[in-house]
Order: sequence, then structure tokens, then C-alpha cells
Amino acid sequence: DTGVSQDPRHKITKRGQNVTFRCDPISEHNRLYWYRQTLGQGPEFLTYFQNEAQLEKSRLLSDRFSAERPKGSFSTLEIQRTEQGDSAMYLCASSLARRELDNEQFFGPGTRLTVL
Amino acid sequence: EDKVVQSPLSLVVHEGDTVTLNCSYEVTNFRSLLWYKQEKKAPTFLFMLTSSGIEKKSGRLSSILDKKELFSILNITATQTGDSAVYLCAGLLNAGGTSYGKLTFGQGTILTVHP
Repeated sequence: DTGVSQDPRHKITKRGQNVTFRCDPISEHNRLYWYRQTLGQGPEFLTYFQNEAQLEKSRLLSDRFSAERPKGSFSTLEIQRTEQGDSAMYLCASSLARRELDNEQFFGPGTRLTVL
Repeated sequence: EDKVVQSPLSLVVHEGDTVTLNCSYEVTNFRSLLWYKQEKKAPTFLFMLTSSGIEKKSGRLSSILDKKELFSILNITATQTGDSAVYLCAGLLNAGGTSYGKLTFGQGTILTVHP
């Protein structure tokens, strides 16, 4: 399968624990995005990378959240001291951005986080 | 603040009906509008619309963008039960002459197609 993959698919944790999610984008894609989706809502932008550089972070991304893309390939999203309000589906997407060309984002299956 | 609003929020139809889903947007530095279909999993890409008035078609689905009135519609003709899903639209920003990549999504329209 050459699509975007995410791991784990589901994570249940207790409040206060740290969790880390991984995203592997489509191999030639240089842009990688993280979104969060709660029930009944569309995905909300969290952050985005162009290669290994993190170019924007949403106000939704509190200090407890950190994302990395160390070699410009896979990315990790870590949430420290999880809270019940962090329960959501965390979606990763990737795209191939070229100047003057439109690009669509391809989404992974998501990681569903439940904080008890 | 960028905003994308979809209507209706939910829609129930029978197989064979035609449906029209609406999306209005207020997105600064707007470049394109995208439609996605989401079934109990990740959104799958349907259309990207950048030019006003040009219809894009894929089988029974079609979509068009009106950049003057800041809205888009997604039409599905001869609906089938497999069309049941959440349909999301999203605005894509433009920055520095290239598509920026940050998508601002609407809340989605839940379409249910009964046999």
C-alpha cells in the first residue's frame, strides 16, 4: 500500500499520560499535515511541515503538543499530560507541492485517541 | 478568521434521487476549494476547484465554484446507498504564489441514502 499510513490506529490512555503517534506520508510527498477531528466536526488544522521544517502551528496546538519530522519523511505527534479534551481522531495528510501547480492532500486512516 | 459553512448538515434521500450539497466560505487569500468524502475513516479526495464557473465531473458527481459569491456546490445524481457518507468541503489558502496547503474544513454534510 503506497498511501499515507498512521500508527497506532487506536490508542486508549489515562489522563496525564504521554502519547506519541506516527505518520508515514506518501514517499515522494514533501508536505505533511496534522489535523484533529472530533465527532460531528470537520478536521481542524494543527500543524504542517515542508520537508523537515515546521512552517505553521495552529493556536489549537498547546504547549503539550509537539510535532517533528526529523528527516523530512515520517512525522511524530506527541501529546504530553493528556487531558480528556484531547480525545479525538488525529489525521495526517501529505501532498506534493510544486510551484504554480495545485495539489490535493491525501489523508491517512487516522489515530483515534481516547483519554479516560 | 477563516470560515467554511456547509448546508444542509444532514440529508436523507432514497436511491435514485439527486442531491445538491452547499458550501460557502470566507477564507483569506483563497486559492482553491476542495471536496472530500468521508466514510468512517479518513477523508478521500473528490475535487479541487480553483477557477470560477468551470464544472468538474467524476461519474455521477459534479461540482462548481462561484468565486464572486464565495460558494460551491456538489451534485450527486442517481444516488446509491454507497454514496452514504459525510461530505466535507475545505478552503485552501494561497501564499506567495503557491498553494499554501492549510485546509480550513466545514463541519460536513451527512448524506444518508436509503434503498
